Formats: sequence, C-alpha cells, structure tokens
Amino acid sequence: AQSVTQPDIHITVSEGASLELRCNYSYGATPYLFWYVQSPGQGLQLLLKYFSGDTLVQGIKGFEAEFKRSQSSFNLRKPSVHWSDAAEYFCAVGISNFGNEKLTFGTGTRLTIIP
Amino acid sequence: GAVVSQHPSWVICKSGTSVKIECRSLDFQATTMFWYRQFPKQSLMLMATSNEGSKATYEQGVEKDKFLINHASLTLSTLTVTSAHPEDSSFYICSAREVRVPMNTGELFFGEGSRLTVL
Repeated sequence: AQSVTQPDIHITVSEGASLELRCNYSYGATPYLFWYVQSPGQGLQLLLKYFSGDTLVQGIKGFEAEFKRSQSSFNLRKPSVHWSDAAEYFCAVGISNFGNEKLTFGTGTRLTIIP
Repeated sequence: GAVVSQHPSWVICKSGTSVKIECRSLDFQATTMFWYRQFPKQSLMLMATSNEGSKATYEQGVEKDKFLINHASLTLSTLTVTSAHPEDSSFYICSAREVRVPMNTGELFFGEGSRLTVL
C-alpha cells in the first residue's frame, strides 16, 4: 500500500524567506503526486500536481515542487513566502491503477509566517 | 473552475440524532465522489467512495450502517451520520472527480468541509 510522510509537523519562517516543505512517499509504481493547501476551517485547494514528464512542476501562488524518484521525494518550495501562505499543507499520492484513484494524504505540515 | 460545495458548513446536533451533509459539484458532473474525515490537526482519512447510481465503497473500519452515502445524481452525494454520538464529531470533507477527467489522473476538487459537533 502507498504511504506519504511529511516529516515536519510545524514550520515557522519569516515573511520573504524561502520555504521548503518535505514529502516522501512509498509506492511500488509511478506515483501521481499532489500538494494541497488548507486554510483553517476550509477545504483543500490544489497547489500543483505531478503525473509524468518534467520533474519540476510549477503551481499556483508561486509554488513549485520537484519529483525525485531516487529519493522518493516530492518537496514543495517557494522562493519568498507571504503572510497569506500561512496554512496547512498536505502532500498526497494517488494510485495509478485504472479505476482506482484514491488519494493517500500525509499528516500535513503547518506553516506559520512571522513578520 | 470546478467548484464543489458542501452544506451545511457546520452543524451541531444532539446525541442520537441523524445528520445529513450534502456535497454538490456546481459546474461539472461527477461520477465519483469521495468522503473524508479529518480530526483536529490530523490528516484526511478516506471514508468511502461514492459512485453515481451504485452503492458506495467503504474503507476498512468505516461502518456503512453508521455513515450512509447516497449518490443519486451526477452532481450530488450525501453523507448521513446516523444516530450520531460525540465521537462522530469531526470535519467531513468531500471531493469529486469531473466525469471528463481520465480516471487514472487522480485529480480531485474538494468541498469546503462540514464541521459536525455532537453534544
């Protein structure tokens, strides 16, 4: 079965600083990988996704993520964070078997931005 | 863009009562919808997969008689928590896959969630 690990439960960065959120996955085949953001009391918004091709994917709000098969990682990055980026971030892996498209989520990383 | 709406966004009920949560895809058709449960400061746990016109598929450990799911149309799925108890208090989130999207891409659109509090 697939699994997702987000090693950092909580990260605090200064506004304007760079950000990297870690995500490691375990899955026997080619994974479909996602990053979602959740504001307090809200649903999830898709930031970006990797299906195939270029291993560096660009998302919304200035985020990017790099798929590294050798490290089983899909880390999320942003060069300069804004106060509005404070939220919970979830990495997820999707099963690629036809007809079965469950997403397995990591435990999330809470991002705090300090002025 | 694709919008998924849940209603109600929050509900408080007495123990023993039943609560229905609706999940609607507003601008697209969804043959498949998913229901997740999220405990405070935890990740989303898939409860069940709802397919239009057929019975839902429940994840291991989820009581299907407790959490009734109905997907009567391509734009609406409902989750009914029957005889709710305080331990059922949680944040319930639905997601939907647009019917035109290939089944193996995994791209889903999420509702804003429904917070259930059982007294």
